[in-house]
Amino acid sequence: NSKVIQTPRYLVKGQGQKAKMRCIPEKGHPVVFWYQQNKNNEFKFLINFQNQEVLQQIDMTEKRFSAECPSNSPCSLEIQSSEAGDSALYLCASSRLTGNTEVFFGKGTRLTVV
Amino acid sequence: GEQVEQRPPHLSVREGDSAIIICTYTDSATAYFSWYKQEAGAGLQLLMSVLSNVDRKEEQGLTVLLNKKDKRLSLNLTAAHPGDSAVYFCAVKNTNTGKLTFGDGTVLTVKP
Repeated sequence: NSKVIQTPRYLVKGQGQKAKMRCIPEKGHPVVFWYQQNKNNEFKFLINFQNQEVLQQIDMTEKRFSAECPSNSPCSLEIQSSEAGDSALYLCASSRLTGNTEVFFGKGTRLTVV
Repeated sequence: GEQVEQRPPHLSVREGDSAIIICTYTDSATAYFSWYKQEAGAGLQLLMSVLSNVDRKEEQGLTVLLNKKDKRLSLNLTAAHPGDSAVYFCAVKNTNTGKLTFGDGTVLTVKP
């Protein structure tokens, strides 16, 4: 069973508001991912970290999304100015390595932008 | 980039029957494959992962087959029960970046 902890489980924000969600990866997992899953079950990779360093991120993440994984603190994903199209399930995942190792997901944060 | 196709999109079986889900992928260099289960309102539960040097893996009523020649991955629930009802996703991993590419999902319904 996954030990990736995501909070909050549900988040409701108005358009233009900030939305922040947190993730505690499994102990011993330095690689952390954020994915967005929309209502059509499509997954979009947002960003990944190894320890505190960003490995890759998509353009969308660079403009309105910010994320960090500080040492000794939860990782976080923040949307600076929420839009209706940001309503989705945000999934955090972690793994020991970027290579051929298992990736474990948290239960997600369901963001609704009204 | 990698593309993954998954079928069928919906699958309904009776309790005790087998349920088979198939994914095809495009990148022959892909070396790590996983199956996830997602129940309503929940995250992704890792069911099983296989490396590309494995053709077959069985665990707790699940069988994963990998055909590298045809770039095909399958999940077989050998005796499904109602608790298996969920959405199932295959995922292939880019071993350089660690990024996963997911199939479109299969909604499995197991009827008593």
